[in-house]
Amino acid sequence: AQSVTQLGSHVSVSEGALVLLRCNYSSSVPPYLFWYVQYPNQGLQLLLKYTSAATLVKGINGFEAEFKKSETSFHLTKPSAHMSDAAEYFCAVSVQGNTPLVFGKGTRLSVIA
Amino acid sequence: EAGVAQSPRYKIIEKRQSVAFWCNPISGHATLYWYQQILGQGPKLLIQFQNNGVVDDSQLPKDRFSAERLKGVDSTLKIQPAKLEDSAVYLCASSLEGVRGYEQYFGPGTRLTVT
Repeated sequence: AQSVTQLGSHVSVSEGALVLLRCNYSSSVPPYLFWYVQYPNQGLQLLLKYTSAATLVKGINGFEAEFKKSETSFHLTKPSAHMSDAAEYFCAVSVQGNTPLVFGKGTRLSVIA
Repeated sequence: EAGVAQSPRYKIIEKRQSVAFWCNPISGHATLYWYQQILGQGPKLLIQFQNNGVVDDSQLPKDRFSAERLKGVDSTLKIQPAKLEDSAVYLCASSLEGVRGYEQYFGPGTRLTVT
């Protein structure tokens, strides 16, 4: 079975500061890993995904994440936060194939002007 | 390309009433999922369809929840009777079959409030 732990239910950063959202996973087989963003009253939008190719994955809106097998981590980063980045972020894991996603509890990102 | 459509967007019902949600996936997507997202938590799978067959419904509370996907396209999720703890956002997602590193595309969700 797979599971995801997101450290910090709420992260607050200043505009222009580094964004770091933490995600650790557990999987008995090689995982696929995803980061989704959810704006208020909207569905989930895919930011980026790891599918066993390059360990450093670049996504939309300047976000990137690095897969570290030894640490079972897939932390999300962005060099400079914008006000528009304020949202809920979810890390998710699945196994190879067309299988359901297992989500973490989410991290709410606030950006302070 | 049109995205995943869901309706209604919002629904308020009293406990013990019934309710139904509708989902229209992206054209050509064989796999369809229903997730339940309770406030403050990540989405949790309720049921997965492959075309019009059920792949995984192990987490669906079958005493009150039911779902179907007629003709392998649209899907409906029903709750009867509803309980207070069913208050949540119900998300529908679809994906392409057999695509390596598949992506799930989510609809806007239906926010259910049970009073």
